[in-house]
Amino acid sequence: DAKTTQPPSMDCAEGRAANLPCNHSTISGNEYVYWYRQIHSQGPQYIIHGLKNNETNEMASLIITEDRKSSTLILPHATLRDTAVYYCISSGSARQLTFGSGTQLTVLP
Amino acid sequence: DAGVTQSPTHLIKTRGQQVTLRCSPKSGHDTVSWYQQALGQGPQFIFQYYEEEERQRGNFPDRFSGHQFPNYSSELNVNALLLGDSALYLCASSPSPVSLQGQFFGPGTRLTVL
Repeated sequence: DAKTTQPPSMDCAEGRAANLPCNHSTISGNEYVYWYRQIHSQGPQYIIHGLKNNETNEMASLIITEDRKSSTLILPHATLRDTAVYYCISSGSARQLTFGSGTQLTVLP
Repeated sequence: DAGVTQSPTHLIKTRGQQVTLRCSPKSGHDTVSWYQQALGQGPQFIFQYYEEEERQRGNFPDRFSGHQFPNYSSELNVNALLLGDSALYLCASSPSPVSLQGQFFGPGTRLTVL
């Protein structure tokens, strides 16, 4: 699995969009980008994944650059409950996920 | 749907002891993976079970072993516990070993080794 790089922390105002960046410059052609989040003292929660097209679901949107070297997870209207550690993972399948240190997102009232 | 369940929620052991953690996958899932999460770090993959066999293994010693039962539930066993084994142990399930839909995680078992 390719290594990903994320900022260690970010703040976002409640109600505003939270844009979380991820660099995966060594991603290979068959590797997907997965996003998970982990709220304090809970297990990680799957958010979204994509290969090369932008994806959207009820939780978030995933924007992948054309060269696939980076991506951005967008939470359109952040709430206090979105405060969590967000992990960006690149993997050929969901079989073995390699988590990094993630980004601590703090949503401020 | 109860999702992924794990037991116990907390456990305290002493060095050298053995421990067994249990996991029931989400309904409809047949693949179970185990992760170890040390304080302040991301989860680290231990191994994955499918059809009652270990299919893939991370960089963990043989002290870590597992089992999967016909009903798809799973156990993680750790022998000769070390202080460094203190961590949150997470179980995750998926509908197949190669599912692209992501893994569903349980709440974890917090193991403290004294």
